[in-house]
Amino acid sequence: SAVISQKPSRDICQRGTSLTIQCQVDSQVTMMFWYRQQPGQSLTLIATANQGSEATYESGFVIDKFPISRPNLTFSTLTVSNMSPEDSSIYLCSVEIAGGRDTQYFGPGTRLTVL
Amino acid sequence: RKEVEQDPGPFNVPEGATVAFNCTYSNSASQSFFWYRQDCRKEPKLLMSVYSSGNEDGRFTAQLNRASQYISLLIRDSKLSDSATYLCVVADYKLSFGAGTTVTVRA
Repeated sequence: SAVISQKPSRDICQRGTSLTIQCQVDSQVTMMFWYRQQPGQSLTLIATANQGSEATYESGFVIDKFPISRPNLTFSTLTVSNMSPEDSSIYLCSVEIAGGRDTQYFGPGTRLTVL
Repeated sequence: RKEVEQDPGPFNVPEGATVAFNCTYSNSASQSFFWYRQDCRKEPKLLMSVYSSGNEDGRFTAQLNRASQYISLLIRDSKLSDSATYLCVVADYKLSFGAGTTVTVRA
């Protein structure tokens, strides 16, 4: 497995502002992902964070709203831009270990509340 | 139709009981299958992978039925600490998560 940390663990933000969430892994990983889990719902994949190239976004998610950086194999950021109350959610990063047969390990999540 | 569907429960069972629940998936080309456990306000944690032949890990048994496109999880001798939401996860090019089945084990 891998040890994954996220910062901040939680935040309360005003609408119209942006928040950048950081994800740090204790080892180099090829695949990193960002998910959203809205209250009472399951996880939805936002995008795959690609090292050295633009992230790959899932349907319904766009780069302008959720810009992602992946400067190296141990770190990624997700920005939630121009926030509205509908963006209130838990945001989780995950990693897939090489040879892990699709198994993903999750960070502790960032609980975001937008007022 | 959702990619992964689960009975949300809750399943309320006494300690020591056996509880079992299923999940169905829509993509017949799915390659990998998992059960994750999520405790309240925590991240999902891998419970076990699910193999075609079925597999067991202690008190937990997972089964895969490709023909009918469902996965099952059985928990024997339930403990209070088994209380959680169990997420069914199916992988093709990405992971698709079910909404979870809530299990509450009571003393």
